[in-house]
Amino acid sequence: GQNIDQPTEMTATEGAIVQINCTYQTSGFNGLFWYQQHAGEAPTFLSYNVLDGLEEKGRFSSFLSRSKGYSYLLLKELQMKDSASYLCAVRGYSGNTPLVFGKGTRLSVIA
Amino acid sequence: DGGITQSPKYLFRKEGQNVTLSCEQNLNHDAMYWYRQDPGQGLRLIYYSQIVNDFQKGDIAEGYSVSREKKESFPLTVTSAQKNPTAFYLCASSTGTGGSNQPQHFGDGTRLSIL
Repeated sequence: GQNIDQPTEMTATEGAIVQINCTYQTSGFNGLFWYQQHAGEAPTFLSYNVLDGLEEKGRFSSFLSRSKGYSYLLLKELQMKDSASYLCAVRGYSGNTPLVFGKGTRLSVIA
Repeated sequence: DGGITQSPKYLFRKEGQNVTLSCEQNLNHDAMYWYRQDPGQGLRLIYYSQIVNDFQKGDIAEGYSVSREKKESFPLTVTSAQKNPTAFYLCASSTGTGGSNQPQHFGDGTRLSIL
């Protein structure tokens, strides 16, 4: 079976750091993706991890531990425009296998 | 510009009516996907196609149908058998080359409502 868990909602202050966690149990693992989705818009790709460790991309970083079935997305220097839903998704098998998505974490950034 | 185009942006369906959502991509991607998004439910896979003239059911295919006659196009028909069609529908595509690190790219979505 496939199960991907994320917190439903989080709130953080402008300028702060926030960590959004994702745990997964899937049959097969070929990478974990993070997407950002503003309300009513398309998800946009943020990051990809397949090996254990941290991948950094500007203000956003993503971490993976395959043995623990765990990932997190770290957002630094939060800005109001970072208010959005963040979706964790797993690719179970090769290349074009559809991604399996968690329910998303709605992040609100407050002044 | 390369991308994925979904149309229409908003669509209204009458009871007992079939409607078709369009999805076109000019990214030369092999694979295309349809997801449904409901509040609090995340994205759920309806159908996907990894190559022209072939497609597979996803987790919630009942009440939907698709075709993949051209690489660029993957239309989704919401039939009258789908009793709760009100949702945000997202089409995505990904390349068949380059390995498993290739993300799915999404269109802007179609919001379907029942009249």
